[in-house]
Amino acid sequence: DTEVTQTPKHLVMGMTNKKSLKCEQHMGHRAMYWYKQKAKKPPELMFVYSYEKLSINESVPSRFSPECPNSSLLNLHLHALQPEDSALYLCASSPRGVTYEQYFGPGTRLTVT
Amino acid sequence: EDKVVQSPLSLVVHEGDTVTLNCSYEVTNFRSLLWYKQEKKAPTFLFMLTSSGIEKKSGRLSSILDKKELSSILNITATQTGDSAIYLCAAPQGGSEKLVFGKGMKLTVNP
Repeated sequence: DTEVTQTPKHLVMGMTNKKSLKCEQHMGHRAMYWYKQKAKKPPELMFVYSYEKLSINESVPSRFSPECPNSSLLNLHLHALQPEDSALYLCASSPRGVTYEQYFGPGTRLTVT
Repeated sequence: EDKVVQSPLSLVVHEGDTVTLNCSYEVTNFRSLLWYKQEKKAPTFLFMLTSSGIEKKSGRLSSILDKKELSSILNITATQTGDSAIYLCAAPQGGSEKLVFGKGMKLTVNP
């Protein structure tokens, strides 16, 4: 089973809202990733968690706040987003790190109004 | 700066054709190269190539790593309309947990 699940599938939020994206994997993977993808562009790395510790923050604005409650779960908390943050948000996991293949979840299509 | 370059960026073929997608890379401390297929949603993992696994095959898809030329190809034989997608090539950035992606190649297979 190489499944990464993400909820919700779609999210529309206003600029003053607070919402969270959720990602889950049960493959025993110890590295988890958040990516942002704009149309016709490759995924852009936001955060990396390795063994439940934040190992990379790609200078992401503080209105995005990641959380890794346990080895299977990854959240992305959203607050005071801007319309330009509208994108597909992808979660991925890999067995131990970037040397290994990453498996992506289906993504959350986020629209900020 | 590490980079991954794909060519061509788009290709239109007819069903049954064979296509070859190219990926060249310049990364420090090369570890692996990955191919993904992206349709409407998330990228789907296809292959990972390393120094100890330079050739992979799955059905009509195959991929080869050329470490001397710092490149990889993805071959698709007997293409089908379901092969229409964006194909992404990526490699781990040297000394980092970050994947460097190419811009992607849009393949359209017409019936």
